[in-house]
Amino acid sequence: GAVVSQHPSWVICKSGTSVKIECRSLDFQATTMFWYRQFPKQSLMLMATSNEGSKATYEQGVEKDKFLINHASLTLSTLTVTSAHPEDSSFYICSASLRGNEKLFFGSGTQLSVL
Amino acid sequence: QKEVEQNSGPLSVPEGAIASLNCTYSDRGSQSFFWYRQYSGKSPELIMFIYSNGDKEDGRFTAQLNKASQYVSLLIRDSQPSDSATYLCAGRGKFNKFYFGSGTKLNVKP
Repeated sequence: GAVVSQHPSWVICKSGTSVKIECRSLDFQATTMFWYRQFPKQSLMLMATSNEGSKATYEQGVEKDKFLINHASLTLSTLTVTSAHPEDSSFYICSASLRGNEKLFFGSGTQLSVL
Repeated sequence: QKEVEQNSGPLSVPEGAIASLNCTYSDRGSQSFFWYRQYSGKSPELIMFIYSNGDKEDGRFTAQLNKASQYVSLLIRDSQPSDSATYLCAGRGKFNKFYFGSGTKLNVKP
């Protein structure tokens, strides 16, 4: 299957700082990447759809100014959590699908803990 | 109403038994459905996908889809303790978006 690399795996930061998470498709070009958030014992909640070369599409209730998404190339999308607060602590997972392929492949996830 | 619904479990089965996981969906426009396995603290990994009515078998796993009833299931034969995980059902909807159920936790007892 296709490989999606996500970094960092975990990050601990102070309240008020910004955190950037990178998601790379290693062996394919991903025109679309998706960002999910998962709280403990809950399912994945879609935050936004990231399209290469255009603005991300955010799901209802997700603050676009707080969760900045940049999809600068066909292999890289970044999620920046700006001015992070403890309630932003969560497991963030990126995913990508190949053009013409039904499947969705996930990165390894980033566990964010905001103190 | 959630797009995809699952029983959260936990579902406990003895080793060697058949585990049956179920999922319903609300969007009739969804054409493809997926089962992912997620271990604690890890990201989901794809187990199976199905888009045609009926059964699809892959090794110990069988996915079943009934579009008339909007129902998807996953059967795991000869369950092993290593199958213990949370199983997520997902539907692929408009704009290529995947919507996930809340997951069913499976415990396979040795």
